[in-house]
Amino acid sequence: GQQLNQSPQSMFIQEGEDVSMNCTSSSIFNTWLWYKQDPGEGPVLLIALYKAGELTSNGRLTAQFGITRKDSFLNISASIPSDVGIYFCAGDNTDKLIFGTGTRLQVFP
Amino acid sequence: DTEVTQTPKHLVMGMTNKKSLKCEQHMGHRAMYWYKQKAKKPPELMFVYSYEKLSINESVPSRFSPECPNSSLLNLHLHALQPEDSALYLCASSRNRVNTEAFFGQGTRLTVV
Repeated sequence: GQQLNQSPQSMFIQEGEDVSMNCTSSSIFNTWLWYKQDPGEGPVLLIALYKAGELTSNGRLTAQFGITRKDSFLNISASIPSDVGIYFCAGDNTDKLIFGTGTRLQVFP
Repeated sequence: DTEVTQTPKHLVMGMTNKKSLKCEQHMGHRAMYWYKQKAKKPPELMFVYSYEKLSINESVPSRFSPECPNSSLLNLHLHALQPEDSALYLCASSRNRVNTEAFFGQGTRLTVV
């Protein structure tokens, strides 16, 4: 089946640093979504992308829909302790959402 | 109201028990989903309902039985589960099957003993 690979698998950064993570696929997607999940909670939708090349921001978060439609990127600027969690990308192939493997983010003060 | 509400938050059940998970949304969404998530793994799709009709069953064992009584409610009936079924069960909804911006509930942490 389809797989979305996220990298890095985990990140340990200092508060105030910028963060970049990406998601790649062997298949084309029509929509890319980015979610954040805290332990024991459901994923929370951060950003949705609908067009190849689209760049969208939500506060300190910026995400891009790759030109090839096979990848997407998420950047977090000036990280803060509450950014800690697991970030999932998800691609929509018009049938269902496929989730990436996740990037675990730890922020140290 | 942009919430998807799931009950209960935690559930412990024996392998011979019958229990149900409940999910409710009042956003007027016409697509609703059940996902299963094991620790440190991404959510895995189980079922999709579109306009109260089951449209996708991802080859889920029959001991899991979904039900969509109306456009706001989604249930997951559990019977004769195995310990390996222990997981976080997530409900989600989206405007429809075409618009898949899914909003998730907080999940039910299920433990089968």
